[in-house]
Amino acid sequence: EPEVTQTPSHQVTQMGQEVILRCVPISNHLYFYWYRQILGQKVEFLVSFYNNEISEKSEIFDDQFSVERPDGSNFTLKIRSTKLEDSAMYFCASTGVGLEDYNEQFFGPGTRLTVL
Amino acid sequence: AQSVTQPDIHITVSEGASLELRCNYSYGATPYLFWYVQSPGQGLQLLLKYFSGDTLVQGIKGFEAEFKRSQSSFNLRKPSVHWSDAAEYFCAVLNDYKLSFGAGTTVTVRA
Repeated sequence: EPEVTQTPSHQVTQMGQEVILRCVPISNHLYFYWYRQILGQKVEFLVSFYNNEISEKSEIFDDQFSVERPDGSNFTLKIRSTKLEDSAMYFCASTGVGLEDYNEQFFGPGTRLTVL
Repeated sequence: AQSVTQPDIHITVSEGASLELRCNYSYGATPYLFWYVQSPGQGLQLLLKYFSGDTLVQGIKGFEAEFKRSQSSFNLRKPSVHWSDAAEYFCAVLNDYKLSFGAGTTVTVRA
């Protein structure tokens, strides 16, 4: 069964460093998302991406964040200068384009980012 | 703004007993509703979803949920829990193509 994959599973970085979180969505999906979950809190929407551009972003997704689809398979989230409060689990999700497909998002296993 | 409320932060249930997790939503139109489960250190797994039609939906792992428009609820149920059901459960509503999640309910299963 196709699945969304994410790498790395755990990333530890120093405050101020840049990190890139990688995701490989399901191959025929066209909508891509990033969510994050700070420890003990709810899952929050960060950004959605379609047709090589951002469709929507939340207030969390400030200038320190960027997303990119550098090739036909990867979808990345870059945090330019990490802060302590960026420590969280980051989930990638993708969805298809069929009538009901685009209503269901398939999630990857997440990347746990720890900023020291 | 559309939102999801899960009133119960933590529920403890005995193995073999029934389980019901509450979810209330605030949404103007017919909502697309989901229940996800997250085991410790793991990602989000979809248990079931409601888009339209039969208001009682069946999911994986023996879970079911009932959509009640009059109560703005989408409660999750399982008749007999197993120790492996210990996890965190999230209700979510699709809102302009993005998911809004509830705060989650942690389920502890005691032997």
